[in-house]
Amino acid sequence: GQSLEQPSEVTAVEGAIVQINCTYQTSGFYGLSWYQQHDGGAPTFLSYNALDGLEETGRFSSFLSRSDSYGYLLLQELQMKDSASYFCGWMDSSYKLIFGSGTRLLVRP
Amino acid sequence: GAVVSQHPSWVICKSGTSVKIECRSLDFQATTMFWYRQFPKQSLMLMATSNEGSKATYEQGVEKDKFLINHASLTLSTLTVTSAHPEDSSFYICSVSDRILIHYEQYFGPGTRLTVT
Repeated sequence: GQSLEQPSEVTAVEGAIVQINCTYQTSGFYGLSWYQQHDGGAPTFLSYNALDGLEETGRFSSFLSRSDSYGYLLLQELQMKDSASYFCGWMDSSYKLIFGSGTRLLVRP
Repeated sequence: GAVVSQHPSWVICKSGTSVKIECRSLDFQATTMFWYRQFPKQSLMLMATSNEGSKATYEQGVEKDKFLINHASLTLSTLTVTSAHPEDSSFYICSVSDRILIHYEQYFGPGTRLTVT
């Protein structure tokens, strides 16, 4: 089976940098995705890594190490609106997406 | 990105009845749609992959006779929760992906909150 583990909760201060880790055990790994979900809302795509290394998109960056079965999402210049749940997701060759356990990020003033 | 709608946004039904949830891709033809379920403060659990014109592929542990999926056109997939029970109360979300252009990004509908009394 597949499993993706994330810390359940992270708290950070506005303007700071926070890293959300994701470790996985999967078969047929194709890529690692990151999604943001506000309470009661739909998940929205943030980033995707198919290869090892860092992908940067504005204030968000994502990193992948296939050899370590590990990835992380880095959020810089935190804003209050970044308070949400963040999910890593494993994608296989059929584009099926399996989500990790999720991390609730609380940004404090 | 793609625009996905769901109807209804919320529904309350009595135990033993069936409920149909629609998922529509508004601006492109989706050969594949995905259905997820999410309980409060938990992750999204993939229930099934809906393929246009063929049978859905269900994830392990999901009862295909209870959660009927029909993908009759390239813009519409429906999920019917049959003989609903209180434990089926959850947030049901669909998603689509554009395999040709951006295969790794899924676009999610706003979700349907089902409450079974």
